[in-house]
Amino acid sequence: LAKTTQPISMDSYEGQEVNITCSHNNIATNDYITWYQQFPSQGPRFIIQGYKTKVTNEVASLFIPADRKSSTLSLPRVSLSDTAVYYCLVASTDSWGKLQFGAGTQVVVTP
Amino acid sequence: NAGVTQTPKFQVLKTGQSMTLQCAQDMNHNSMYWYRQDPGMGLRLIYYSASEGTTDKGEVPNGYNVSRLNKREFSLRLESAAPSQTSVYFCASSLQGREQPQHFGDGTRLSIL
Repeated sequence: LAKTTQPISMDSYEGQEVNITCSHNNIATNDYITWYQQFPSQGPRFIIQGYKTKVTNEVASLFIPADRKSSTLSLPRVSLSDTAVYYCLVASTDSWGKLQFGAGTQVVVTP
Repeated sequence: NAGVTQTPKFQVLKTGQSMTLQCAQDMNHNSMYWYRQDPGMGLRLIYYSASEGTTDKGEVPNGYNVSRLNKREFSLRLESAAPSQTSVYFCASSLQGREQPQHFGDGTRLSIL
């Protein structure tokens, strides 16, 4: 199971772009990268998932370099409501039942 | 609203008491999961169910049992609660088997005295 490393916290101002990088040096060939967002007193919310290159949806973009040893979640033009903990998860169908979340990155957006 | 519903939202137990946490999803998902979340430790998988009728242990199954009652419902039981089981418990689901959870409930906050 690939171990992930993320920054503990990040601060940003409203309207800025926030980029959170997750390191996963031991990622396996079959592993996918998934990001979740969690607000206080709520369960995590699935944001985006990718395998390689770039994935974009209405909420965020996910950039994965060719070696796949890291990935970057990009949140464009953040607002106060984007203040949350963001988790990076790396797993495959071989390890799906043993997913373990790390401590995540606390993002704080201020006016 | 469609999603994952957990009951109760809060509960206080005494050591040795038993309790069942309920979880139901209305998205016709095949897979369901139970996690616990402790401060500074992220979420840890307790049990999961790939499909109706199957259950498997996750990383921290000791002290818990589960039942996949039907496709919608997946319950977690503490037979003899211990203070170490004080935590926030999350149920989750995913459409396909063998993939990361897609939807989480809002959690059950359990305190064991």
